[in-house]
Amino acid sequence: DIQMTQSPSSLSASVGDRVTITCQASQDISNYLNWYQQKPGKAPKLLIYDASNLETGVPSRFSGSGSGTDFTFTISSLQPEDIATYYCQQYDNLPLFGGGTKVEIK
Amino acid sequence: EVQLVQSGAEVKKPGESLKISCKGSGYSFTSYWIGWVRQMPGKGLEWMGIIYPGDSDTRYSPSFQGQVTISADKSISTAYLQWSSLKASDTAMYYCARGVVPGSPTWFDPWGQGTLVTVSS
Repeated sequence: DIQMTQSPSSLSASVGDRVTITCQASQDISNYLNWYQQKPGKAPKLLIYDASNLETGVPSRFSGSGSGTDFTFTISSLQPEDIATYYCQQYDNLPLFGGGTKVEIK
Repeated sequence: EVQLVQSGAEVKKPGESLKISCKGSGYSFTSYWIGWVRQMPGKGLEWMGIIYPGDSDTRYSPSFQGQVTISADKSISTAYLQWSSLKASDTAMYYCARGVVPGSPTWFDPWGQGTLVTVSS
């Protein structure tokens, strides 16, 4: 079974900082990797699909990259409204989430 | 507007059965995969399984195989998640979500609002 390792599990950054989250798959998943944002008390929201494609309506400060086993999610300039937990999700056969990264403001 | 509306919060006792629902609207229900996701209190998201209402093809994550049953009634555009005997450890928020690409369980959007299931004696 594929395992997804997401890091860090939490981070604290200042408004305007560049934030980077990584997700590593235990085997090659091509670009079958998506990123979601979940704000407290809310359902998850799709941000990035197929590793690097920005979902319609999502601000351009969010981006994704990678292929194979190593993927990166970036917020280019952290905003107060970006406080949330972010999850990667692969879809090789069955969908599978990474463990999540909680992003807080310093 | 594509929308998934889930049934309301439930409070049950251990050993009881339960079936929660997720009604799709604004799209062809039989053409898109529906997935169920568990979120235990203070924890991360876990995929439970997915169903394709068009032919009822159902796939379970290994952790949930045999623990729950996923089904769909395409006549009323509704997917279900059910338990035959609840445990306290089933206490969680449960979300349904729709696959974006017709016929392919790739990425999921939109999501239902969630159904909180509380199991307590």
